[in-house]
Amino acid sequence: VTQTPKFRILKIGQSMTLQCTQDMNHNYMYWYRQDPGLGLRLIYFSYDVKMKEKGDIPEGYSVSREKKERFSLILESASTNQTSMYLCASTRTGGPYEQYFGPGTRLTVT
Amino acid sequence: SQQGEEDPQALSIQEGENATMNCSYKTSINNLQWYRQNSGRGLVHLILIRSNEREKHSGRLRVTLDTSKKSSSLLITASRAADTASYFCATAASGTYKYIFGTGTRLKVLA
Repeated sequence: VTQTPKFRILKIGQSMTLQCTQDMNHNYMYWYRQDPGLGLRLIYFSYDVKMKEKGDIPEGYSVSREKKERFSLILESASTNQTSMYLCASTRTGGPYEQYFGPGTRLTVT
Repeated sequence: SQQGEEDPQALSIQEGENATMNCSYKTSINNLQWYRQNSGRGLVHLILIRSNEREKHSGRLRVTLDTSKKSSSLLITASRAADTASYFCATAASGTYKYIFGTGTRLKVLA
């Protein structure tokens, strides 16, 4: 699982797209954010192309899955409370199976 | 809603000692998984235990699951400095692929 970019600094109100790509032909893909003391929290996940489901904290985010191997997280208008580490993961159906994680995107909004 | 909660939040031990960390969850689950995260990196899967299993081993790792108490424990035996990391449990409710992670246990193994 790969994620781009690795680091990004945004100004309040700017938009950006975080990209996640997997080459394992997995159906399920996930976006989490990780904050100190809060662990990983699920933002959105997708179980097929153009299919998505909200996680626990979807507010302020949207997602796109146009191809099976790619799942994008979109911040339309960044706010300081979106400063975080964003982790993408994928897994296959028919399990349960483990999730494979990308290295993360460190986002700072100032 | 944070389903998994790890205990303790932080643990510091000497190399060679055993480390035990616990995870509690709230609803019926299909499976429970443990992951490790080295500083600033993505998570790596360690072990998966299904709801109908009580114990599982993998190398120096031993995981137990008590569905009646909604809890799990991860034991790392003969710890090494390289085991220094954060450890997370993750659960999926029955019939779903929606995984909920706990807040993690930070383990420090002193050489």
